[in-house]
Amino acid sequence: DAGVIQSPRHEVTEMGQEVTLRCKPISGHDYLFWYRQTMMRGLELLIYFNNNVPIDDSGMPEDRFSAKMPNASFSTLKIQPSEPRDSAVYFCASSVTGTGIVTFFGQGTRLTVV
Amino acid sequence: KNQVEQSPQSLIILEGKNCTLQCNYTVSPFSNLRWYKQDTGRGPVSLTIMTFSENTKSNGRYTATLDADTKQSSLHITASQLSDSASYICVVTGGGYQGGKLIFGQGTELSVKP
Repeated sequence: DAGVIQSPRHEVTEMGQEVTLRCKPISGHDYLFWYRQTMMRGLELLIYFNNNVPIDDSGMPEDRFSAKMPNASFSTLKIQPSEPRDSAVYFCASSVTGTGIVTFFGQGTRLTVV
Repeated sequence: KNQVEQSPQSLIILEGKNCTLQCNYTVSPFSNLRWYKQDTGRGPVSLTIMTFSENTKSNGRYTATLDADTKQSSLHITASQLSDSASYICVVTGGGYQGGKLIFGQGTELSVKP
C-alpha cells in the first residue's frame, strides 16, 4: 500500500483565494483525520471522519474551513477565503478500528498564503 | 486541561551517544501514549504505542517507558545515528476512542552530529 496520499505537496496562494487540499487514506481504513501543524501550536486536530461521516469538527478554526469525505477513498479540506495566518502544514491521517490504534500520516501539504 | 509537555525542546548529541526524551501529560482519562518521529518535511511516523498496563516497549534502538501513576513517559535512543535527527513527538489519546482525540506535545528537536 502506498500509504496516505496527499496533494498537492506544496501550495502557494494569494490571500482571498480558495484552497483545496486532497487526501486519499489507506484502503480499508475507516477513520480519517485532518491535522494542522505550525511552529507555534504544533499539531492540532481539525476534524475527523468515521466511515465517511464527520464526527468531530470542533478543531476547525472558523467557517472559512470546510472538509468533506464523499467516499471511503477521498477527502478534501477547503479554505475559502484563505488568509496568511492559514499558512501551515496540513496533514491527513487514517486508521482502522481494532488494529492496535496506529495512525498513519500522509506527507503533508505545505500551504503558504501570501 | 488536557496537556502534553515535552522536554527538552531541543537537544544536540554526538553520533553514537545515548539520549532520553521526556514527556509529561495531564490527560485524563488516559487511553494510550505514542511516540512519533517526524523527519523534516515529512509526516509523523509511529515509533511505539503503550497502553495503561504497559511499562516499556522497544522498537530497535528506541525504548519507551510509561509510568501511568506519575503520568510520565520517556523515549530512550541508544547508540544514536545521524538519521535519528528529527522531531520526536509524544502523543496521548484520552478516553476510549482509539485515535480521534490525539493530544500532541510540542516535540523535541533532536540533532545528531558526527
